[in-house]
Amino acid sequence: GENVEQHPSTLSVQEGDSAVIKCTYSDSASNYFPWYKQELGKGPQLIIDIRSNVGEKKDQRIAVTLNKTAKHFSLHITETQPEDSAVYFCAASIMGTYKYIFGTGTRLKVLA
Amino acid sequence: EPEVTQTPSHQVTQMGQEVILRCVPISNHLYFYWYRQILGQKVEFLVSFYNNEISEKSEIFDDQFSVERPDGSNFTLKIRSTKLEDSAMYFCASSKGYEQYFGPGTRLTVT
Repeated sequence: GENVEQHPSTLSVQEGDSAVIKCTYSDSASNYFPWYKQELGKGPQLIIDIRSNVGEKKDQRIAVTLNKTAKHFSLHITETQPEDSAVYFCAASIMGTYKYIFGTGTRLKVLA
Repeated sequence: EPEVTQTPSHQVTQMGQEVILRCVPISNHLYFYWYRQILGQKVEFLVSFYNNEISEKSEIFDDQFSVERPDGSNFTLKIRSTKLEDSAMYFCASSKGYEQYFGPGTRLTVT
């Protein structure tokens, strides 16, 4: 069945460094890939997304890249700040279904 | 900025009891969803709802679960006879298209 794998499960970086989180999806029909940030006690918050007809998308310090051939997509956070500390989830969706399959999450800690 | 809201924030119930979790989606959204997250695990899809009917449901969403949009603003998830393993965080989400916006969740504890 559909599956999304996410690595690493935990990531610690120094403030100002970059962080990269990687996901792999199994279903080649997947064509929409959102990323969510979840802070303690809150619901997932959409931070960036990418569709399969685009290879890269950037929004200020956050970027997402997609390699359809390898079925990989990655989240890049530059100049990390303590407030970036949270759990990040990737997800994949097949157009027409609207159902998200989530990755297992990455706990990012930004050390001041 | 419009938000998805959920009530209650925490619900404690005894095994075998019925619970109803409530959500108010963003007002101009057409698609509604329920997801759950068992403590420390990933978010899992339960059901999607569009045009007053279920669009898709997962294997988790068995006969014990039902959803309803009783009026123009609320979207509810009912668990008919709760089990211990139903203990989780339940998130409602809504969308106009692919971008889904999540509520803060209801923590359900079944004792």
